[in-house]
Amino acid sequence: DTGVSQDPRHKITKRGQNVTFRCDPISEHNRLYWYRQTLGQGPEFLTYFQNEAQLEKSRLLSDRFSAERPKGSFSTLEIQRTEQGDSAMYLCASSFDWGEGGKLFFGSGTQLSVL
Amino acid sequence: LAKTTQPISMDSYEGQEVNITCSHNNIATNDYITWYQQFPSQGPRFIIQGYKTKVTNEVASLFIPADRKSSTLSLPRVSLSDTAVYYCLVGDSHMEYGNKLVFGAGTILRVKS
Repeated sequence: DTGVSQDPRHKITKRGQNVTFRCDPISEHNRLYWYRQTLGQGPEFLTYFQNEAQLEKSRLLSDRFSAERPKGSFSTLEIQRTEQGDSAMYLCASSFDWGEGGKLFFGSGTQLSVL
Repeated sequence: LAKTTQPISMDSYEGQEVNITCSHNNIATNDYITWYQQFPSQGPRFIIQGYKTKVTNEVASLFIPADRKSSTLSLPRVSLSDTAVYYCLVGDSHMEYGNKLVFGAGTILRVKS
């Protein structure tokens, strides 16, 4: 499978705990995005990487959220001191930065439940 | 970023053609129009992208009038498996510092037998 993969698919945690999600993009893609989606809503942009550089962060991304993409390959999204409001589907996507730049390939997401 | 407006939901029957229209009155010169499909518990899937006139691929057609203030996604002969949420997005796909595509709430398409 050469698509975008995310791990884990589901995560249940208690309020106050830290969680980390991983995203492996399509290998040829140098852009990587994180989105968050709650029930009945469209995905909300969180942050974006061009290779290893984090070029944009949404105001939705509080100080408890941090994302990394070492060496421009896989990416991790960490949420510290989780709150119940963090419960959502976290989606990763990747794309080229030329040509079909608007064509994002999404993973299946990580469903986070904070109890 | 241009804002889009789509119907909240649409119903159709198997075998019919479905047209979903999206309004984007503030579309910029460099913006492209992109449509995605999303099934429950999955990430969105790219359907089609266009800039002007008509684009057709193996799954859909995209009609864009000359003023580009709206676009219509056309799904020919839908089946039950086309039941999903459809998102219309506009954005500059070729910005040097990335294209922060903004998703709206989308259109829930329900196909009935």
